[in-house]
Amino acid sequence: NAGVTQTPKFRILKIGQSMTLQCAQDMNHNYMYWYRQDPGMGLKLIYYSVGAGITDKGEVPNGYNVSRSTTEDFPLRLELAAPSQTSVYFCASAPLGANLNTEAFFGQGTRLTVV
Amino acid sequence: AQSVTQLGSHVSVSEGALVLLRCNYSSSVPPYLFWYVQYPNQGLQLLLKYTSAATLVKGINGFEAEFKKSETSFHLTKPSAHMSDAAEYFCAVNSGGYNKLIFGAGTRLAVHP
Repeated sequence: NAGVTQTPKFRILKIGQSMTLQCAQDMNHNYMYWYRQDPGMGLKLIYYSVGAGITDKGEVPNGYNVSRSTTEDFPLRLELAAPSQTSVYFCASAPLGANLNTEAFFGQGTRLTVV
Repeated sequence: AQSVTQLGSHVSVSEGALVLLRCNYSSSVPPYLFWYVQYPNQGLQLLLKYTSAATLVKGINGFEAEFKKSETSFHLTKPSAHMSDAAEYFCAVNSGGYNKLIFGAGTRLAVHP
């Protein structure tokens, strides 16, 4: 079973370019999340979704957009890439109606460098 | 607002020594706490979680954590470190809505022979 799959694993972007980070899960989870990980900062929530068609901002949403047209997919769009968006991006999912101690499942991450 | 603080960004131990990774939380409500581990070039994997059923929580790979409300702590321990334990460890708390997690800054554990 694949769990949470992220593509690509690595990417180098030039300043001002745009790209979409793909995330797919096969566990039928309603909750999905995008986090970014910066050295010494832990993970910060960018956007999250509680179901198809429903998304909301997290702690650090500026410069990003998301959409959720299906339960399985939750792509993250970077418009006008900036060096400050150099980071490792993680997608995660969790089941609907989960207790507050329910585990979130993480993808392998996408390492993005903006030059 | 809830938060977690991990003391020590880097911890180095000898193989076979005790591992102690510190996590303190701030919460006005009973916290739901987690420890995740990240091996090199991989995603995060759940080590253990606090469920309020017991203050001492056992996780995978011989790790355990003790919830101490009086000290607002949830420190992670392992009696005897193994080389394969070298990784980054994150303490996290559920923010209370839709299982959004708030992470600590992480502690990188090095294990040397």
